[in-house]
Amino acid sequence: DAGITQSPRHKVTETGTPVTLRCHQTENHRYMYWYRQDPGHGLRLIHYSYGVKDTDKGEVSDGYSVSRSKTEDFLLTLESATSSQTSVYFCAISESGTGVRHTIYFGEGSWLTVV
Amino acid sequence: SQQGEEDPQALSIQEGENATMNCSYKTSINNLQWYRQNSGRGLVHLILIRSNEREKHSGRLRVTLDTSKKSSSLLITASRAADTASYFCATDALGYQKVTFGIGTKLQVIP
Repeated sequence: DAGITQSPRHKVTETGTPVTLRCHQTENHRYMYWYRQDPGHGLRLIHYSYGVKDTDKGEVSDGYSVSRSKTEDFLLTLESATSSQTSVYFCAISESGTGVRHTIYFGEGSWLTVV
Repeated sequence: SQQGEEDPQALSIQEGENATMNCSYKTSINNLQWYRQNSGRGLVHLILIRSNEREKHSGRLRVTLDTSKKSSSLLITASRAADTASYFCATDALGYQKVTFGIGTKLQVIP
């Protein structure tokens, strides 16, 4: 298994509160991703990073911000959580971001419930 | 929006039977991968097929790619209860580096 650790694994939070999810990798891969998975939508890319301090938006980035201050850590922040952000969040890593040429390795997921 | 769409969305078979899942995509691709997700877990890579390949094998898995039809299929032969999972295709459109995943096919293998 790829060395990816997500924390917390489960969280319940109230609407309007900030939430930060952490992803830590031990593989020294350059690319890191945050996806959310919802029934009927599959996996959707929120943000990704192609190096320290280098990040870009995915297809569902509104309401989310990210930071990458070290190669191994990629943080996802919900600045003011809403019920529509209740989801399972997956961190992923890959050696290269050039399409699917390289395997994408996934963490075990973080279950977030916004009440 | 998803580039790839799996079909069927759900599939239930008896142990020992073969399972076939299909993935259709909208625009030309560089490569296509299949992933598996056990309930409550992250996705795990199964196999990659490049756009210039037509068929690839890995153990009990057989993947085909038809670029003219913009479709791929994943065949799992002699299925086992442990194959119960959701299966996703992942594609990257030409000129667009980001990878997109389909909604997945939920496979149930009944012992």
